[in-house]
Amino acid sequence: DAMVIQNPRYQVTQFGKPVTLSCSQTLNHNVMYWYQQKSSQAPKLLFHYYDKDFNNEADTPDNFQSRRPNTSFCFLDIRSPGLGDAAMYLCATSRDLEETQYFGPGTRLLVL
Amino acid sequence: AQSVTQLDSQVPVFEEAPVELRCNYSSSVSVYLFWYVQYPNQGLQLLLKYLSGSTLVKGINGFEAEFNKSQTSFHLRKPSVHISDTAEYFCAVSGTGFQKLVFGTGTRLLVSP
Repeated sequence: DAMVIQNPRYQVTQFGKPVTLSCSQTLNHNVMYWYQQKSSQAPKLLFHYYDKDFNNEADTPDNFQSRRPNTSFCFLDIRSPGLGDAAMYLCATSRDLEETQYFGPGTRLLVL
Repeated sequence: AQSVTQLDSQVPVFEEAPVELRCNYSSSVSVYLFWYVQYPNQGLQLLLKYLSGSTLVKGINGFEAEFNKSQTSFHLRKPSVHISDTAEYFCAVSGTGFQKLVFGTGTRLLVSP
C-alpha cells in the first residue's frame, strides 16, 4: 500500500544533542511537509519542500532544519533540542501544492 | 489569511447516539475544508474534504459534513457513534491556490457505553 512512513515512532534524546527524524513516502508526491504538534494543540507547519525547493515558515526556529535528498525521503534535523521541543512531529505529503495532504503516523520526541 | 474555530474542546456522547462537531472558518478567499481524525499516539487520518461541488460531503467511517458558505461553517456529523470513534478531530482550512493548511485546536470526542 502506498503510504507515508515515519521512523522511529518514538525518539528520546538529551538536551542539546542533535537528533534526526525520518520520513519516507511511496506515493511519489511532489510536496513533503513537517509539522510540530505539542500536547493538546493543533499541528503547526514548520516547513515544506516542493520537489527540491525548501520553504520555511517565518516563525520556525533556526534550530530546525530539513533535508530532502530525493523524492521519497525527507529528514527533520533538530540541531540542539530544548525541553520545549518535546512534541509529536508529523510528516505529510501531497501530490501538488493545492492537493490533499496525507499524514504519516508521527514521531513522538522526548527531550531529557 | 485563514483561521478555524472549533468551539467545543470536548464532546461526550453515548454509544449509538448522534453527534455533531462544530467548525467555523474565516477567510477572505475561496477555501478548501477538511476534517482529520487523530487516534492516540497516531498521525492524522483524512476523514473527508470539501473542494467544490456538492455542499454535503460524505467521508469514511460513516461521517459526513456540510459546507455552509453563508454561515462559514463545516460541521461534522455522524448519526450513530461507536466506542471506536473516540479520538481527536481536527477541522482544517486552506485557501485555494497554495496557502498552508490551518488547523483548528481540535475537538476530543469521548464515546461511552
